[in-house]
Amino acid sequence: EAGVAQSPRYKIIEKRQSVAFWCNPISGHATLYWYQQILGQGPKLLIQFQNNGVVDDSQLPKDRFSAERLKGVDSTLKIQPAKLEDSAVYLCASSLRDSSGANVLTFGAGSRLTVL
Amino acid sequence: GQSLEQPSEVTAVEGAIVQINCTYQTSGFYGLSWYQQHDGGAPTFLSYNALDGLEETGRFSSFLSRSDSYGYLLLQELQMKDSASYFCALPNQAGTALIFGKGTTLSVSS
Repeated sequence: EAGVAQSPRYKIIEKRQSVAFWCNPISGHATLYWYQQILGQGPKLLIQFQNNGVVDDSQLPKDRFSAERLKGVDSTLKIQPAKLEDSAVYLCASSLRDSSGANVLTFGAGSRLTVL
Repeated sequence: GQSLEQPSEVTAVEGAIVQINCTYQTSGFYGLSWYQQHDGGAPTFLSYNALDGLEETGRFSSFLSRSDSYGYLLLQELQMKDSASYFCALPNQAGTALIFGKGTTLSVSS
């Protein structure tokens, strides 16, 4: 099966500029997540969608970050305006529970953002 | 709240066995997962423990003790390609997403 697709892979912007990341999850996976991974740390959940509805966006800095998942498939994550501390890899994941009950997340390769 | 603690770095030589520990705090327990991430790559699922005991998958095994809020990942017959970061992860309070530890960087030398 095709994996989780993300674009762009790399983006360099100046602070206060805007940027958007795109994600296409694995076909049939109803749950989609955006995680932020700062260098040397574990992924941190930003937002979770179930189909096209938001399940959890408690960690999303809503003054500058927004995300949508139209039609319950593709998703976009936007940052406007960007700050230096937003430099990170933005990982998209989709999930399916396996037979053991594990919520197995399949991650995309990520979009690496550098804010100058 | 929820938290996970794991060592930041572990080093070992090819062919050796290494254990990566993870201690956690959570109000409700829904299982402990392990993910591997190579430098510049995506995290990939390795193992899951819902119940106490050892789960074996090839060279990798994962152990859980719910009474001690503790788990570990055991990697045997280490290979150079095992050099990567390893994360333990817990479901969040709603049980719908994963909270990750800060990760353990494993360096395997020849």
